[in-house]
Amino acid sequence: SQQGEEDPQALSIQEGENATMNCSYKTSINNLQWYRQNSGRGLVHLILIRSNEREKHSGRLRVTLDTSKKSSSLLITASRAADTASYFCATDLRSGGGADGLTFGKGTHLIIQP
Amino acid sequence: SQTIHQWPATLVQPVGSPLSLECTVEGTSNPNLYWYRQAAGRGLQLLFYSVGIGQISSEVPQNLSASRPQDRQFILSSKKLLLSDSGFYLCAWRAGVGETQYFGPGTRLLVL
Repeated sequence: SQQGEEDPQALSIQEGENATMNCSYKTSINNLQWYRQNSGRGLVHLILIRSNEREKHSGRLRVTLDTSKKSSSLLITASRAADTASYFCATDLRSGGGADGLTFGKGTHLIIQP
Repeated sequence: SQTIHQWPATLVQPVGSPLSLECTVEGTSNPNLYWYRQAAGRGLQLLFYSVGIGQISSEVPQNLSASRPQDRQFILSSKKLLLSDSGFYLCAWRAGVGETQYFGPGTRLLVL
């Protein structure tokens, strides 16, 4: 069953602005991962944040995790046209982890207007 | 460094024909391997995962099967394709529990 839900489904902003995407999930997690997918391509891993972490940075990306609210956010600062893509959050399919895979939301489609 | 390959990149097949998609991983040993399918405009759905050679677990009943003949090779197959098998198929690997999962470039399958 689907675990993560991204919000909004679509987001269009001007180049240079910040973009914020949210993810909510239903059950307890060990970690949460964010991915980017350019049209017709594979998924690129952005950040993994563990359940005992509240915030993580990577370049222009900032991810927060609130386990009490079962939510996470991805912030992209100073957006560029190349950031245009779909963004997905993913959690382990079963909260116990293990070898099984990830469950994904439907993603947020981000468009950066030049 | 580790890399993951998938082929072919694109495939157009008639209904009822067989299917074989291949995925290989380089630069790591004993990875956990995964097959996902992505329908148009949707998130990914896990189809199969494998923790070792010959060990396959299926997440959803379907027309497809998977095999792992070698440590770093994962194959997705079908004996007879259905129209509903069309989609974007992604292979992924990770080193172990709770680790980052890395995806291949994907295979776009169109069944006509």
